[in-house]
Amino acid sequence: DVKVTQSSRYLVKRTGEKVFLECVQDMDHENMFWYRQDPGLGLRLIYFSYDVKMKEKGDIPEGYSVSREKKERFSLILESASTNQTSMYLCASSPGTGGGEQYFGPGTRLTVT
Amino acid sequence: GQNIDQPTEMTATEGAIVQINCTYQTSGFNGLFWYQQHAGEAPTFLSYNVLDGLEEKGRFSSFLSRSKGYSYLLLKELQMKDSASYLCAVIHNTNAGKSTFGDGTTLTVKP
Repeated sequence: DVKVTQSSRYLVKRTGEKVFLECVQDMDHENMFWYRQDPGLGLRLIYFSYDVKMKEKGDIPEGYSVSREKKERFSLILESASTNQTSMYLCASSPGTGGGEQYFGPGTRLTVT
Repeated sequence: GQNIDQPTEMTATEGAIVQINCTYQTSGFNGLFWYQQHAGEAPTFLSYNVLDGLEEKGRFSSFLSRSKGYSYLLLKELQMKDSASYLCAVIHNTNAGKSTFGDGTTLTVKP
């Protein structure tokens, strides 16, 4: 079974803090993704990566950065957390260069106060 | 731009059949996925269509018409556990299989 794990299920941070969300997959997938999910707005892509050290902006990259130093790990960084970044964050991975079904982690519910 | 439309909510009765529609307009098309997401959980894969026609998988089937930019998910013999959100997603960029997701259709199954 493909397993995608995320470092925390729930996280509470203060405005201005630097926040790290970690994602690890165990199936040697090339592609990894970070989404946020908000009521009424669906899943929105923040960043994705198709290889180690390769990253591309998704639809809403502002206020975020990412790091992929190892194939199995994809980190999302909030440089200076703001209240409008309170959301559910979902990591996913998929195999191959053309993409395939995405396997999602359990999600991290981040609250910024 | 990318645009995917699904109904926001649907209600159906246990044992019945329900069809959830998805229309899309994307720059490039390389396949369409349906995912199921129960409340508080992550999405899980249901089906994949890349060619026109119907794909059947047990109680679930998915149909695609690329010329019409249209897909549907058909759920038969509905069970209470099918109450969930159903997400339509289009792969429109083969670089890493970047996908755009619809907002999801929340299905409520009533006894």
